[in-house]
Amino acid sequence: QKEVEQDPGPLSVPEGAIVSLNCTYSNSAFQYFMWYRQYSRKGPELLMYTYSSGNKEDGRFTAQVDKSSKYISLFIRDSQPSDSATYLCAMSAGYGGATNKLIFGTGTLLAVQP
Amino acid sequence: KAGVTQTPRYLIKTRGQQVTLSCSPISGHRSVSWYQQTPGQGLQFLFEYFSETQRNKGNFPGRFSGRQFSNSRSEMNVSTLELGDSALYLCASNPEGSTGELFFGEGSRLTVL
Repeated sequence: QKEVEQDPGPLSVPEGAIVSLNCTYSNSAFQYFMWYRQYSRKGPELLMYTYSSGNKEDGRFTAQVDKSSKYISLFIRDSQPSDSATYLCAMSAGYGGATNKLIFGTGTLLAVQP
Repeated sequence: KAGVTQTPRYLIKTRGQQVTLSCSPISGHRSVSWYQQTPGQGLQFLFEYFSETQRNKGNFPGRFSGRQFSNSRSEMNVSTLELGDSALYLCASNPEGSTGELFFGEGSRLTVL
């Protein structure tokens, strides 16, 4: 079993829809939770960053972390064709020199249809 | 501010050869991490360097090595290439004191024939 599980999709939604992306994990030591977005032929770019549990909102994006359930989510409101990309969840225990040893999900491919 | 720069962007090698990939981090970033991305395994951590010291290493064979120079630029080397080493190799840098807030380059795509 992988430490981080993510539905690979693909996920296709119409423009304006609310998108929900999720990851589950097994390592209770994870404290830092990230969502990265990767466009085709590009490197990943950081979208959302959360420490420990709770919600974080940034414009149309909301990240949620539920450590009790070992479950994280990314919500995209009013989705746009420009949101079409692969979304990767990532996690880190963030201690003992492993600060940037991130464990990534396999990514969910999202297509927003105009 | 210039982003993370990786060279070369694309390269083709044959089995048994070796390859060296280069990464220039964002100015002021002293931490550099390397990841391998494949369709089957996704993004996997290779190693991390900070101030010329390897801070952590992933579960890859000894054929994979790296180093960091005093100007924070980093290189990784893969010796005795195997077909399974074909992948996108991504370098990332981040500011001191941050955890997981990585700025990635566009990667070096290696094909091993």
